[in-house]
Amino acid sequence: EVQLLESGGGLVQPGGSLRLSCAASGFTFSSYAMSWVRQAPGKGLEWVSAISGSGGSTYYADSVKGRFTISRDNSKNTLYLQMNSLRAEDTAVYYCAKLAGYYQEWYFDLWGRGTLVTVSS
Amino acid sequence: QSVLTQPPSVSAAPGQKVTISCSGSSSNIGNNYVSWYQQLPGTAPKLLIYDNNKRPSGIPDRFSGSKSGTSATLGITGLQTGDEADYYCGTWDSSLWVFGGGTKLTVL
Repeated sequence: EVQLLESGGGLVQPGGSLRLSCAASGFTFSSYAMSWVRQAPGKGLEWVSAISGSGGSTYYADSVKGRFTISRDNSKNTLYLQMNSLRAEDTAVYYCAKLAGYYQEWYFDLWGRGTLVTVSS
Repeated sequence: QSVLTQPPSVSAAPGQKVTISCSGSSSNIGNNYVSWYQQLPGTAPKLLIYDNNKRPSGIPDRFSGSKSGTSATLGITGLQTGDEADYYCGTWDSSLWVFGGGTKLTVL
């Protein structure tokens, strides 16, 4: 079955760190770019970051640049998001998503169920 | 404030047709493909339309997409109560992905 399963969410204090993981199955993971998208409570979707299939190219939203790092381990079919210097406004459900198409023609064709990150003291 | 502008809400009766607009600029919609996503209450988003007007397998032809200049439109015909959801448009803008603010569809 083709699926994405996120983990690693939880409660963290402002200024703290957290690493999210996304386990992929049912497709050739290394052939596809991957992305993280978040959704604050009651709000819309916000793109966070993307990474090419090889991991050689990464892209970040301005709101997380310098604080978050996206990476992947193709031998483990797993995507990661290392989140540092967390702020209250980073509180959201974080979705892992598979990208289809070509760079700058990418679209999200598969989504995980999400993992909740709460930043609060 | 989203880069792509969508109406906050639309509504229509079962069986009717509704359209949801997505307005952008030359740096995003004007020069890139648009995709649309449906988010049912309490669930993850799902791809509805990609490359402006293509439907993934399994998406009924009641859903359609179009693009003209710097605007895109999602159309839904034969509305069903199960179509009640939030709908988001999205595209690339200068090496960054952008979403619209989302439109809540109510089927009266």
